[in-house]
Amino acid sequence: DAGVIQSPRHEVTEMGQEVTLRCKPISGHNSLFWYRQTMMRGLELLIYFNNNVPIDDSGMPEDRFSAKMPNASFSTLKIQPSEPRDSAVYFCASSLDRIHYEQYFGPGTRLTVT
Amino acid sequence: AQRVTQPEKLLSVFKGAPVELKCNYSYSGSPELFWYVQYSRQRLQLLLRHISRESIKGFTADLNKGETSFHLKKPFAQEEDSAMYYCALLTGANNLFFGTGTRLTVIP
Repeated sequence: DAGVIQSPRHEVTEMGQEVTLRCKPISGHNSLFWYRQTMMRGLELLIYFNNNVPIDDSGMPEDRFSAKMPNASFSTLKIQPSEPRDSAVYFCASSLDRIHYEQYFGPGTRLTVT
Repeated sequence: AQRVTQPEKLLSVFKGAPVELKCNYSYSGSPELFWYVQYSRQRLQLLLRHISRESIKGFTADLNKGETSFHLKKPFAQEEDSAMYYCALLTGANNLFFGTGTRLTVIP
């Protein structure tokens, strides 16, 4: 297994543009997490899904952020419109159901909004 | 509400010296704590969990409920220990709540 796959690895976009980040979890994992990493705030949980259903989205900063998981092997995190303060590394992670402490992280997407 | 505090953003030690990365937590329930590590150009990964009481790569961490701490320790730092370390707390919602991380640099 290639592990959690994220694309793109790097994204540079202008303020106001829509950004879509993609994630493919490890096959057989039922939980998927989106995190944002910044120097100031460290690693923050944005949203997590269990069996494709959003369980907790309290970490999503505002309505400009949305996440979907249409099936067990794919999830997207969308920012529309993007702002410079959204610049960060976004990680996707997956875990076996009920073993959430052992999360397997993707390589991350480094987003720069100019 | 839960809180995980890693007071040091940056920590530098010389090779062979002892290292301690501090982690304090605040949580009303029974805490389960973990250390995650991210080496350069590698993915964030689980290093150890307090329940297992194991030593991984020479690192140990003891949960001290009285001091609400879960410091990560290693008696003799190695260059390959240079990495970003995150302390994490498992919440009642069965999610991980991460601290802000400490970047450890081991100086040769």
